[in-house]
Amino acid sequence: DAGVTQSPTHLIKTRGQQVTLRCSPISGHKSVSWYQQVLGQGPQFIFQYYEKEERGRGNFPDRFSARQFPNYSSELNVNALLLGDSALYLCASRWGGGANTEAFFGQGTRLTVV
Amino acid sequence: QQQVKQSPQSLIVQKGGISIINCAYENTAFDYFPWYQQFPGKGPALLIAIRPDVSEKKEGRFTISFNKSAKQFSLHIMDSQPGDSATYFCAARKGSAGNTPLVFGKGTRLSVIA
Repeated sequence: DAGVTQSPTHLIKTRGQQVTLRCSPISGHKSVSWYQQVLGQGPQFIFQYYEKEERGRGNFPDRFSARQFPNYSSELNVNALLLGDSALYLCASRWGGGANTEAFFGQGTRLTVV
Repeated sequence: QQQVKQSPQSLIVQKGGISIINCAYENTAFDYFPWYQQFPGKGPALLIAIRPDVSEKKEGRFTISFNKSAKQFSLHIMDSQPGDSATYFCAARKGSAGNTPLVFGKGTRLSVIA
């Protein structure tokens, strides 16, 4: 079975631009979460979606938005990019939204804002 | 406020030695404690996880020790190998249905030298 797949793997954008990152969860998984990992730090929670509904949001500005599609894939959008948005963006999928399910991460999208 | 504090920041261990990484948490509502391993350019991969109803869990060369009263948990890697060289993250999550994200430590960069 394929793991969590993210696209693109690398991306370079200019300040002020907008970016869309994509994630396909493991087959059968209904929960997708997004994390931002700045170089040298642990991942920071951005959003969680379960059954196409937002179930949680981290401490990120409104420039960050996401959605989940009927096939459980997800997109993360970031508007008005800042240099500080440069990071590895990780998608994690879980079978359900509850506490007793493991989270599996994709390899991430490396976003560089210049 | 850092909810999960991880130490040391970096660690160098001789091949065959024991690697020990420690984490402390504040929120007593956390009830799921995983450890992730991350190689450069990859997403975090779940290594082993523990819940607070047990004090120790072992999987192969990896052991988690958990001290609920001290609100601390640690990862022990026995017979450390060069292939274990990676960044390790502890994390914690509250046990409730739905929107409970992982809270990560800042990571420990482990180097196992021959």
